[in-house]
Amino acid sequence: QVQLVQSGSELKRPGASVKVSCRASGYTFTSYTMNWVRQAPGQGLEWMGWINTNTGNPTYAQGFTGRFVFSLDTSVSTAYLQISSLKAEDTAMYYCARDLYLAVAAPGYWGQGTLVTVSS
Amino acid sequence: DIVMTQSPDSLAVSLGERATINCKSSQSVLYSSNNKNYLAWYQQRPGQPPKLLIYWASTRESGVPDRFSGSGSGTDFTLTISSLQAEDVAVYYCQQYYSTPYTFGQGTKLDIK
Repeated sequence: QVQLVQSGSELKRPGASVKVSCRASGYTFTSYTMNWVRQAPGQGLEWMGWINTNTGNPTYAQGFTGRFVFSLDTSVSTAYLQISSLKAEDTAMYYCARDLYLAVAAPGYWGQGTLVTVSS
Repeated sequence: DIVMTQSPDSLAVSLGERATINCKSSQSVLYSSNNKNYLAWYQQRPGQPPKLLIYWASTRESGVPDRFSGSGSGTDFTLTISSLQAEDVAVYYCQQYYSTPYTFGQGTKLDIK
């Protein structure tokens, strides 16, 4: 069965960097794009962008350019989200999510989420 | 960007009663070449990741109870829970996947009255 397992919670100081991992199993990793979604505490869902797992080409939503980088290691079926120069407002749950089917870009499989807390 | 607006922001419904959540997009998410609406609905229970309920505006994902149904086309969509159960307490989101960025609605919090 499809599984997305994310790395554990992180506590970081402002200005530091963090790298969140999302390990996929149960399917061919390079056949489906991987989305990233942010949820600030008590807030709604924000689509951050996606990465084409076949080409490695990322697409970022406005507001997630510059400090946010999506990357892959296809040898271990893992997607990464790196955030640099962390700010307090980056405190959020970050989810990776795979498209449901090849023809359905709605994320149908979700990781459990990684809580990133930025605090001095 | 396509703006998704849900209504109401919250609602409380008695067990066994019908719950209706609306979602409006700022532009059509109907793709004319295949006549499909690129609209999905998600349920997020407290402390859980979102769960896809419906895609193509009205297609239930596998395993989703048939009390959940989606309708609408173009810019106006509805999620209906025909007979509310206790486990349906959650926040519900719509999302368009017609064009990037794939924007979500602000969410609708559903409680038991």
